[in-house]
Amino acid sequence: QLQLQESGPGLVKPSETLSLTCTVSGGSISSGSYYWGWLRQPPGKGLEWIANIYYSGATYYNPSLKSRVTISVDTSKNHFSLGLTSVTATDTALYYCARLPYNSGWYDGFDYWGQGTLVTVSS
Amino acid sequence: SYELTQPPSVSVSPGQTARITCSADALPKQYAYWYQQKPAQAPVLVIYKDSERPSGIPERFSGSSSGTTVTLTISGVQAEDEADYYCQSVDTSGTLFIFGGGTKLTVL
Repeated sequence: QLQLQESGPGLVKPSETLSLTCTVSGGSISSGSYYWGWLRQPPGKGLEWIANIYYSGATYYNPSLKSRVTISVDTSKNHFSLGLTSVTATDTALYYCARLPYNSGWYDGFDYWGQGTLVTVSS
Repeated sequence: SYELTQPPSVSVSPGQTARITCSADALPKQYAYWYQQKPAQAPVLVIYKDSERPSGIPERFSGSSSGTTVTLTISGVQAEDEADYYCQSVDTSGTLFIFGGGTKLTVL
């Protein structure tokens, strides 16, 4: 059974960089036909997509966050990571990682999700 | 900008049929996806590519598409279906992923 687990600091100071890692178990991150994504959900609010990455390194970013976001993948460790610079209180959210199958030019939806990790931006 | 519009809330009695809509300009060219999220839980994919149901999702969940609107239908609603439901799609370039604002389904 595929499992995704987010990890990283739960508290980040304003203006600093948020760094999270998603470790994939039960399957290989480089098995192909999958993108891997980061999404977030501010407390009491809806879902927001942040970025996707393919095991080869191809990336897609949400334009509203693109100037502050970096997504990367380490196939040797079977994990992918998120960096978000210059954080403010509005970046406080539950951050999820998820798998996104891609077949014949179409996506199949984010089908496996981590449990989420709460990141609070506060001094 | 590309937006997906959902009603904030839908209420139904147990056993009835719930329909949650999602509309946008680009939907006819891109598929829609539906996620169920219960309190303190990660979202669960319940419909993909407008009408496909992942394995393990009950048959009472179905999806359809007509013009610029996609609809999630839950037939014979059960108390356990009470949750927030989000539609999601992709822009015409296939590189921008968008979520609707979410619909809170209340089972009366």
